[in-house]
Amino acid sequence: DAKTTQPPSMDCAEGRAANLPCNHSTISGNEYVYWYRQIHSQGPQYIIHGLKNNETNEMASLIITEDRKSSTLILPHATLRDTAVYYCIVGTGTASKLTFGTGTRLQVTL
Amino acid sequence: DAGVTQSPTHLIKTRGQHVTLRCSPISGHKSVSWYQQVLGQGPQFIFQYYEKEERGRGNFPDRFSARQFPNYSSELNVNALLLGDSALYLCASSFGQGVDNEQFFGPGTRLTVL
Repeated sequence: DAKTTQPPSMDCAEGRAANLPCNHSTISGNEYVYWYRQIHSQGPQYIIHGLKNNETNEMASLIITEDRKSSTLILPHATLRDTAVYYCIVGTGTASKLTFGTGTRLQVTL
Repeated sequence: DAGVTQSPTHLIKTRGQHVTLRCSPISGHKSVSWYQQVLGQGPQFIFQYYEKEERGRGNFPDRFSARQFPNYSSELNVNALLLGDSALYLCASSFGQGVDNEQFFGPGTRLTVL
């Protein structure tokens, strides 16, 4: 599976959009991009996933570049409860065998 | 409806001992995956079981084993514990195993090996 590169930490003001980048330059054609987050002391929580089209759900939007070498997770109106470690994962075939990197620690502040 | 449950929540063992961790998936979910999360790192995939058969194994030694029961609950066993096995062990369940099957994680079992 392709590896991903994320900034180790980011800050965002409450109410503003949080844009979390992810590079996956070695992604192959059949690999999906998954985003999970982990709030302190809890298990990871699924956010969104996509193959090549942009995706949106009630939690976030996922923007994948046309060459699929990078993506951005957008939390449109960040709240304090969005403070967490966000993981970008690339994988094939099944959503049940994911290997997480070290993620981005997002701190939402007042 | 209850989420994924794991037991015990915390466990302390000594080197060389054996440990069994348990996971109950969400009702109706047939896939269970196990992950190891060392402090400061992201979760690492250990095993996936679907319909009681092993469907995937991560890069872990043979000291790690698992099984899934007819009711889809699962056990993770680790033999000959090492200090490096100290970690949060996470269980995740999903209805199926395709790319669109969202995984739901349990709260984890914190294992400390002394």
